Amino acid sequence: DAMVIQNPRYQVTQFGKPVTLSCSQTLNHNVMYWYQQKSSQAPKLLFHYYDKDFNNEADTPDNFQSRRPNTSFCFLDIRSPGLGDAAMYLCATSRTRGLTDTQYFGPGTRLTVL
Amino acid sequence: GQQVMQIPQYQHVQEGEDFTTYCNSSTTLSNIQWYKQRPGGHPVFLIQLVKSGEVKKQKRLTFQFGEAKKNSSLHITATQTTDVGTYFCAGKTSGTYKYIFGTGTRLKVLA
Repeated sequence: DAMVIQNPRYQVTQFGKPVTLSCSQTLNHNVMYWYQQKSSQAPKLLFHYYDKDFNNEADTPDNFQSRRPNTSFCFLDIRSPGLGDAAMYLCATSRTRGLTDTQYFGPGTRLTVL
Repeated sequence: GQQVMQIPQYQHVQEGEDFTTYCNSSTTLSNIQWYKQRPGGHPVFLIQLVKSGEVKKQKRLTFQFGEAKKNSSLHITATQTTDVGTYFCAGKTSGTYKYIFGTGTRLKVLA
């Protein structure tokens, strides 16, 4: 089945040790999003790609970077994770067709920072 | 910046009672989506509303988009234990491809 896949599902890293989260999709959607969701909070958009165009949210820390080497894959790099970066990271995709652009979410990667 | 608030933050209901969550945006939206997130899960798309005053129904769920396209509501009739979860609205303004999620309403249904 077409879907959004995130790996790994659980990631443990040490304070300050770089970590990369990955997202892949078989939906051939042109837009990909990265959200951060902390416990009992709403998903917070970090950045999104429209095709290869990268769009960073103004309040996304510089510590967070992203790469999209092709349509199917997108990566979230956290250069120096802090304790406050522990969260669920959600990848989502959508295909823009006029005003209809349902977002399909992956299962998320839960990041723990020790 | 754009803010999307939802009320109530939490709602406990007895099974069979109705439930409503309200979503309010600080800016006019081009469309709004609703998602359900089960505990431990990821958001799952429920519906999208585009037109001013639009009302859509999915079985026991009724979604409404306000005339000014700044607010929306989700009403569940006769809740069931399977309705447990957090309901988020997510609004988009015209000219962007990004959605801003509302603060969410966590629903608990007591059997």
